[in-house]
Amino acid sequence: AQKITQTQPGMFVQEKEAVTLDCTYDTSDPSYGLFWYKQPSSGEMIFLIYQGSYDQQNATEGRYSLNFQKARKSANLVISASQLGDSAMYFCAMREGPRMRSGGGADGLTFGKGTHLIIQP
Amino acid sequence: NAGVTQTPKFQVLKTGQSMTLQCAQDMNHEYMSWYRQDPGMGLRLIHYSVGAGITDQGEVPNGYNVSRSTTEDFPLRLLSAAPSQTSVYFCASSYLSDGYSGNTIYFGEGSWLTVV
Repeated sequence: AQKITQTQPGMFVQEKEAVTLDCTYDTSDPSYGLFWYKQPSSGEMIFLIYQGSYDQQNATEGRYSLNFQKARKSANLVISASQLGDSAMYFCAMREGPRMRSGGGADGLTFGKGTHLIIQP
Repeated sequence: NAGVTQTPKFQVLKTGQSMTLQCAQDMNHEYMSWYRQDPGMGLRLIHYSVGAGITDQGEVPNGYNVSRSTTEDFPLRLLSAAPSQTSVYFCASSYLSDGYSGNTIYFGEGSWLTVV
């Protein structure tokens, strides 16, 4: 079973409109973190926003906000007032459990397959 | 601040050749990892390390070796390259702590590898 599911392979949005990118996750661990990354055509991974499983409030970072619905296991990214420069691939990712100091297990990020967002003028 | 530096940025290999992708960070991070990104697959964890002398396998370790002799460096070795290893490779590093905040994971700029 996929741990991170992004159901929108691609989206076209008009400039200045708000955008919601969907992400659902699957974990039985009570402690986890959810991340969103932006990958422009140049290829680098740009961190956007983070939500911890115990955080009481939804995370916000400038035009980015995370709509965290824990019971539904969803962590949708909302971009307000989209801009042409927002055109990129967007990845949702999860890290489960506290980090282990001595290794053992896959202590890394699990990524979704991404959503290709295109902002149209 | 150089952050996470990956070299080379582009490489073409013939099947069966060996090569090493270099990753270096100057932030004294304990945790380093390698991911590969294939079209339509997102990033997948290859190997990771929680400190010098300690490495472990991720989701897709076959065909790759790693070592961590220093805190700064975490090279990824392809011993006998195969076309299936054509991919974009990312190195990432972070501090190792009991809690974590989102913006402490640093990615390199990626290495584009083609195996023909």
